[in-house]
Amino acid sequence: NAGVTQTPKFRVLKTGQSMTLLCAQDMNHEYMYWYRQDPGMGLRLIHYSVGEGTTAKGEVPDGYNVSRLKKQNFLLGLESAAPSQTSVYFCASNIRTVSYNEQFFGPGTRLTVL
Amino acid sequence: QKEVEQDPGPLSVPEGAIVSLNCTYSNSAFQYFMWYRQYSRKGPELLMYTYSSGNKEDGRFTAQVDKSSKYISLFIRDSQPSDSATYLCAMSSGGSARQLTFGSGTQLTVLP
Repeated sequence: NAGVTQTPKFRVLKTGQSMTLLCAQDMNHEYMYWYRQDPGMGLRLIHYSVGEGTTAKGEVPDGYNVSRLKKQNFLLGLESAAPSQTSVYFCASNIRTVSYNEQFFGPGTRLTVL
Repeated sequence: QKEVEQDPGPLSVPEGAIVSLNCTYSNSAFQYFMWYRQYSRKGPELLMYTYSSGNKEDGRFTAQVDKSSKYISLFIRDSQPSDSATYLCAMSSGGSARQLTFGSGTQLTVLP
């Protein structure tokens, strides 16, 4: 049981390049989330999904797109990377049937945009 | 003003000290309160969870919630070097998407 995994672990992009971050979970969770973590800012929600085929915007969605074609995968895309998107990106998942809100996090992806 | 405010520290204490970490919030709809621990270059992991007001104890850790003051605390007794990490408070109103609002995190170092 791997939990939540993220690919890649590190990436360096040039301004204007595109990339996709992959999140996978093997816990059969319905809810999945993408966050970014910047110094002094805590975790900020980018996009989230409450089920296969559904996505919604979080607090800081501009410049990002997401897709949830399969229940176990949640993809985060950067179409034209900017230096302001340099950050650590975390994916998380949550099961719908539990009454409280524990989210299980992946190990993170460190992205640098030059 | 942020919905959740947390002193970023850094906080440095000697081994064996009692540590107090705190968050304040402004959204009265929050009813689920959590503390996550994040080791360096790792993802956050749930440490303590409390529903509504009250105290919860788990070993050396105690979480307190005072909804009337919109204030939550995490106490660590007999702190250990292995407790050195960033502690993030998180809150939720329990909506359909189970979204969490996080504090900015407090970096704690426990010196041997």
